[in-house]
Amino acid sequence: DSGVTQTPKHLITATGQRVTLRCSPRSGDLSVYWYQQSLDQGLQFLIQYYNGEERAKGNILERFSAQQFPDLHSELNLSSLELGDSALYFCASSFGDRGNSPLHFGNGTRLTVT
Amino acid sequence: DQQVKQNSPSLSVQEGRISILNCDYTNSMFDYFLWYKKYPAEGPTFLISISSIKDKNEDGRFTVFLNKSAKHLSLHIVPSQPGDSAVYFCAASASNYGQNFVFGPGTRLSVLP
Repeated sequence: DSGVTQTPKHLITATGQRVTLRCSPRSGDLSVYWYQQSLDQGLQFLIQYYNGEERAKGNILERFSAQQFPDLHSELNLSSLELGDSALYFCASSFGDRGNSPLHFGNGTRLTVT
Repeated sequence: DQQVKQNSPSLSVQEGRISILNCDYTNSMFDYFLWYKKYPAEGPTFLISISSIKDKNEDGRFTVFLNKSAKHLSLHIVPSQPGDSAVYFCAASASNYGQNFVFGPGTRLSVLP
């Protein structure tokens, strides 16, 4: 058990809809990262937050947004959903923000857009 | 442009033998490297890491070797066990520049009994 909790595990929704994915980091970790894994693809970095502030952005679409709350949990909001947004979305946490301590991953949210 | 490459999509090894998984990178600013293991329906699990100031790091059955001049790292698993069958991801970051982790596409390891 990595200590990172993601909810829900599965989400099925229709095109055009909006969903929110939630992540609670490991106790003591201040950084939260979001990654997307589409079918047969690697892990694509979306966005990172550190202690409530956005630290880095990757290949995140404008339809997607995220935030980290004072209790350090994070939410990833996906709107105007398209079929191609179907993927596994992973949250990971780490203590620091400099990329010199390991990431610990949750078990992901599987999003299916129909 | 793939900054982290794992050129073998899959690898099969007999139980008890050595598994060697390879990873190449192109960004010379990368200074921190990690290996993750992933089972189906689970998130990646951290296995072992290495800083660029070292060329080897060992943890039980897992050893990571780093060859900076060749921009190459490898993960050795000895002895391999059927429970090691999973997808293995290599990742790298340029921590001195605050760059986030870049992951390779993964190698599927099958350990045959």
